[in-house]
Amino acid sequence: SAVISQKPSRDICQRGTSLTIQCQVDSQVTMMFWYRQQPGQSLTLIATANQGSEATYESGFVIDKFPISRPNLTFSTLTVSNMSPEDSSIYLCSVREEKLFFGSGTQLSVL
Amino acid sequence: QQQVKQSPQSLIVQKGGISIINCAYENTAFDYFPWYQQFPGKGPALLIAIRPDVSEKKEGRFTISFNKSAKQFSLHIMDSQPGDSATYFCAASYYGGTSYGKLTFGQGTILTVHP
Repeated sequence: SAVISQKPSRDICQRGTSLTIQCQVDSQVTMMFWYRQQPGQSLTLIATANQGSEATYESGFVIDKFPISRPNLTFSTLTVSNMSPEDSSIYLCSVREEKLFFGSGTQLSVL
Repeated sequence: QQQVKQSPQSLIVQKGGISIINCAYENTAFDYFPWYQQFPGKGPALLIAIRPDVSEKKEGRFTISFNKSAKQFSLHIMDSQPGDSATYFCAASYYGGTSYGKLTFGQGTILTVHP
């Protein structure tokens, strides 16, 4: 199975700032996804990171707030922009091979 | 149409007992149903998954039972161990194509196995 590395593993940020989360995979994968897990809650899909084109966002998520890059088949970034305390969540990168695997997540706290 | 409902919210089981978690889905087009296990501070780890062409799948102590007509599926953990204490999520998705990987998750079940 793919090995997925996310950086940073956790961060504490000030309101109004932005944070970029990196996701690195040890093999080339076609499909990469970003999920959000709010405190004590389930996981919600933010967007599909498409290689070489704009990300595809799910209902309730917009590019201005969560810009995503996917420069190649092993790497993606998610930026959480203009953060507020409501953005405090775990952000998870997921990749699709035959099965679906998740990184260990980035725990974000916004003060 | 896209919801997946999971129950119970929390579950306490004695060591050696059977843990049972249930999920119900609405979208009949879903054809891939995985279960994930999540420990604190970690990402979800795939436990076992099933597709609708079978009614049951077993891997070690973990079994998925699937009822297509009722649109329900469940996870059974046999001989539950304290190390199984974690949060379990069911999920549903389309299998194959560009939508494969877009998981709809249940609300999660916090399992505690007492020694």
